[in-house]
Amino acid sequence: GAVVSQHPSRVICKSGTSVKIECRSLDFQATTMFWYRQFPKQSLMLMATSNEGSKATYEQGVEKDKFLINHASLTLSTLTVTSAHPEDSSFYICSATRGGYGYTFGSGTRLTVV
Amino acid sequence: DAKTTQPPSMDCAEGRAANLPCNHSTISGNEYVYWYRQIHSQGPQYIIHGLKNNETNEMASLIITEDRKSSTLILPHATLRDTAVYYCIVRVRGNNNDMRFGAGTRLTVKP
Repeated sequence: GAVVSQHPSRVICKSGTSVKIECRSLDFQATTMFWYRQFPKQSLMLMATSNEGSKATYEQGVEKDKFLINHASLTLSTLTVTSAHPEDSSFYICSATRGGYGYTFGSGTRLTVV
Repeated sequence: DAKTTQPPSMDCAEGRAANLPCNHSTISGNEYVYWYRQIHSQGPQYIIHGLKNNETNEMASLIITEDRKSSTLILPHATLRDTAVYYCIVRVRGNNNDMRFGAGTRLTVKP
């Protein structure tokens, strides 16, 4: 079955530094990847959609200069949280699809900014 | 995409069937019903999807009403490991549009 690997699973960083999260589709080529954020006791909130070789499309209210998304290949998308602050602490989840016929989610990254 | 309404929480006894309802009264003819679940601190896991016929796989059964305005996910023999938040999502299949999550139902399976 389709597998999406997300790395790291947990990261703690100092306020003001940047953190990169990787999302890889291991056994399929993902035409589109999505990034979600989830705060405690809340549902997943879509942050952005990225297509390989194109600029990401961000949801309203998500700062594109703060959350940099790179989708350089059909198997890899990265999310970089720049100049992280404590309010950016959250659970970040990616998902990948090939043509919309199946959505596979990564296991998530718990980001804590101290 | 059509919106869905689910109860915020449900309890189920271990070994019994868990029936999770979902209302999607504004569903369009080409929209599928998808169910995912999220166990604490993990990414969502696909369970099942359907268009209008009832569906069954190794995890669950999906019952969709004839008018397609509601559906029920059935876990036939719930175990403690089925404790999770269950999300019902309706969307068109086969495009690259995003998968958007509502609040879901928090199912607690009790011994």
